[in-house]
Amino acid sequence: QVQLVESGGGLVKPGGSLRLSCAASGFTFSDYYMSWIRQAPGKGLEWVSYISSSGSTIYYADSVKGRFTISRDNAKNSLYLQMNSLRAEDTAVYYCARVGPRGDFDYWGQGTLVTVSS
Amino acid sequence: DIQMTQSPSSLSASVGDRVTITCRASQGIRNDLGWYQQKPGKAPKRLIYAASSLQSGVPSRFSGSGSGTEFTLTISSLQPEDFATYYCLQHNSYPQTFGQGTKVEIK
Repeated sequence: QVQLVESGGGLVKPGGSLRLSCAASGFTFSDYYMSWIRQAPGKGLEWVSYISSSGSTIYYADSVKGRFTISRDNAKNSLYLQMNSLRAEDTAVYYCARVGPRGDFDYWGQGTLVTVSS
Repeated sequence: DIQMTQSPSSLSASVGDRVTITCRASQGIRNDLGWYQQKPGKAPKRLIYAASSLQSGVPSRFSGSGSGTEFTLTISSLQPEDFATYYCLQHNSYPQTFGQGTKVEIK
């Protein structure tokens, strides 16, 4: 069965950096586009970034452009999100999600909490 | 960016009630819309894709309809396990955008 497991979250000071990972299993990772989506405490869902199956096409939300970098390692079945220059408003649970054939998110990980605070 | 306006933001209903949630897109998105259910502390789960197709394993009391700019999620007979927050998502163009969510609470 499809499994997505995020890791790497934690407490970081404003201006700091963090790298999130998402380990995928149960499907051919290299065939699928992937995304990161976040949810601030008590708030709704916000799409963050997207990467194509080969990594050649990448999109970012304006709120993270220039600070976050998405990448993937198909040999390791892993997705990453490098987050730099973190701000308090980046505090959220970060989910990785598989982009299904229709273009929406058909499977989600359990999420990892990132807290940006001094 | 395409804005998704979801209504209501919350509702109270009883077990057995019929519940309808609406999403309106700021421009036409064909049927590029999904519906998700999220329970506290859990990841969202897809219920409906392509506006009206039921995700495998999801009970048939859930249904979706609409195309273009107006979309509806209907729960035909609310069950105790359906109390949750529901989100719509448009994936017609980037950035993909979610509705604000509808919290379904017990009356």
